[in-house]
Amino acid sequence: ILNVEQSPQSLHVQEGDSTNFTCSFPSSNFYALHWYRWETAKSPEALFVMTLNGDEKKKGRISATLNTKEGYSYLYIKGSQPEDSATYLCAFNDYKLSFGAGTTVTVRA
Amino acid sequence: NAGVTQTPKFQVLKTGQSMTLQCAQDMNHNSMYWYRQDPGMGLRLIYYSASEGTTDKGEVPNGYNVSRLNKREFSLRLESAAPSQTSVYFCASSDSLREKLFFGSGTQLSVL
Repeated sequence: ILNVEQSPQSLHVQEGDSTNFTCSFPSSNFYALHWYRWETAKSPEALFVMTLNGDEKKKGRISATLNTKEGYSYLYIKGSQPEDSATYLCAFNDYKLSFGAGTTVTVRA
Repeated sequence: NAGVTQTPKFQVLKTGQSMTLQCAQDMNHNSMYWYRQDPGMGLRLIYYSASEGTTDKGEVPNGYNVSRLNKREFSLRLESAAPSQTSVYFCASSDSLREKLFFGSGTQLSVL
């Protein structure tokens, strides 16, 4: 069982503030690191798939960075909006995906 | 475009009963997966199928069996349901084991 850890477990952000959170994963047998966004009562949806050390991906106000040598990835939300409220999952991909428990973000208006 | 379709959406079973969760995808994906989601534990892989004709155990396979019926369909069977199998089950598919997953809408299963 792979140890994919996400921190913090949850966070509350004021509307308009920026925030970030972490995913740590094994640094060996790395193929890719995935980020998913999971809104309440919906299914997880892929945000990013990152494969190269130093990779940076961006989708609107959400971006992610990857450090495969030290085994971590950061997800950033710039200027948080209420619609950003969701659980953000990261998943480590060697030959299959193993998910972390997620970071639940609540944006307060 | 339907994507990944799971049935049923809700199910209540008594301990010892059996049932099969159905999953079908229309994206011509090679790989399919079954996950369960429990509070505080994220998504845990039960079984996966890298390609048609193959299946492999994930993190938590005990008490489950799977069948990759064809390229489109991947079913999950509980032979003798136990209360510990109360969970939300998600089916997913991807182009390969190393591509992003597309998820179904989930099945909420309660075992009494």
